[in-house]
Amino acid sequence: GNSVTQMEGPVTLSEEAFLTINCTYTATGYPSLFWYVQYPGEGLQLLLKATKADDKGSNKGFEATYRKETTSFHLEKGSVQVSDSAVYFCALSDLIQGAQKLVFGQGTRLTINP
Amino acid sequence: DVKVTQSSRYLVKRTGEKVFLECVQDMDHENMFWYRQDPGLGLRLIYFSYDVKMKEKGDIPEGYSVSREKKERFSLILESASTNQTSMYLCATRDGANYGYTFGSGTRLTVV
Repeated sequence: GNSVTQMEGPVTLSEEAFLTINCTYTATGYPSLFWYVQYPGEGLQLLLKATKADDKGSNKGFEATYRKETTSFHLEKGSVQVSDSAVYFCALSDLIQGAQKLVFGQGTRLTINP
Repeated sequence: DVKVTQSSRYLVKRTGEKVFLECVQDMDHENMFWYRQDPGLGLRLIYFSYDVKMKEKGDIPEGYSVSREKKERFSLILESASTNQTSMYLCATRDGANYGYTFGSGTRLTVV
């Protein structure tokens, strides 16, 4: 079946550090891949997406590249800020039971210290 | 922008109560979803609906049911609440024309 595995958190970094959150997936079809972010007390917001192999999604300084050969979609940011503290979810969208559905990883809590 | 509104941010209910969680969208999206979010488990799909009066079980439907009488409203029902249903519940909609999902702010339910 379809599944998503993220690196375990929590992750704690200092401001301006380089960030990588690993994400790998298993899928039977050709899924689209997403990163969602959840700030404290809020719902999920789409951060970036990629719909086919070698696509790069980017937003707010974050990037992730759809790597079909390694079934990965790692999230990176060159210089994190305190305001990036949140929970990050990797997800895939695939046709399951005749409908497009999102399958999520377990989430990675990120804390950025000033 | 699509808005997805969940009726309550926080709820406290007693074991055995029947609980209704409401979700309303302000666009004409056909697909609607209910997830629960638990630490270390991510989001797990409970039920989804791709049209009025249509519903499909997700990965963890036991103890839940849903209702979709109008396109804009998708209700999650806990027939007899139990303490293991204490969780954050998130509603989402999907635009069929692209891959955009929009989430509500969530309802944190505590069953005592």
